Amino acid sequence: AQSVTQLDSQVPVFEEAPVELRCNYSSSVSVYLFWYVQYPNQGLQLLLKYLSGSTLVKGINGFEAEFNKSQTSFHLRKPSVHISDTAEYFCAVILGFQKLVFGTGTRLLVSP
Amino acid sequence: DAGVIQSPRHEVTEMGQEVTLRCKPISGHDYLFWYRQTMMRGLELLIYFNNNVPIDDSGMPEDRFSAKMPNASFSTLKIQPSEPRDSAVYFCASSLEYLKTQYFGPGTRLLVL
Repeated sequence: AQSVTQLDSQVPVFEEAPVELRCNYSSSVSVYLFWYVQYPNQGLQLLLKYLSGSTLVKGINGFEAEFNKSQTSFHLRKPSVHISDTAEYFCAVILGFQKLVFGTGTRLLVSP
Repeated sequence: DAGVIQSPRHEVTEMGQEVTLRCKPISGHDYLFWYRQTMMRGLELLIYFNNNVPIDDSGMPEDRFSAKMPNASFSTLKIQPSEPRDSAVYFCASSLEYLKTQYFGPGTRLLVL
């Protein structure tokens, strides 16, 4: 069974528009959630993470995500995107105390 | 800190040859992870170490793949013999603790002809 699902393989947006990248995970008693970004020909970089506490998590580059336990979601949002935000975004989860599992990624394409 | 260092950055080899990928984790990090990224399968965890000991190698595709961590500052991933389907980007990552942030290296892009 898939632990984490990113339904959108690609999301095109215009510069300065808001964006939401969706992530859903399999329900579990304990869950730890992450968003990573991968710029072309580079490694992955952590944007933000949820381990416990406040369900609204703020990360780097103006991104934020909200942990919604009832909907088993951890969607990534940014109110106004820039051209430089064009990249691949990966949601990742640790369910229980198992290994980190990555989603299939969402390619964000920001155009002028 | 220089971050996670991987070498080589690019490797082109012929089918049947041995390939060795190298990784230097961030100093002080107790966990080291090897991942493989392909278009078809996305990002897969191959193996991870804790304090130089392999903990979970269930992601290693087959016996042609082996990984070692002889000390806290060095790890290798070896493919012998290599096959065209091994072509991928291989990432190394390290973290302080298992649930802490994983820091990724720039990756090694492997092409097996």
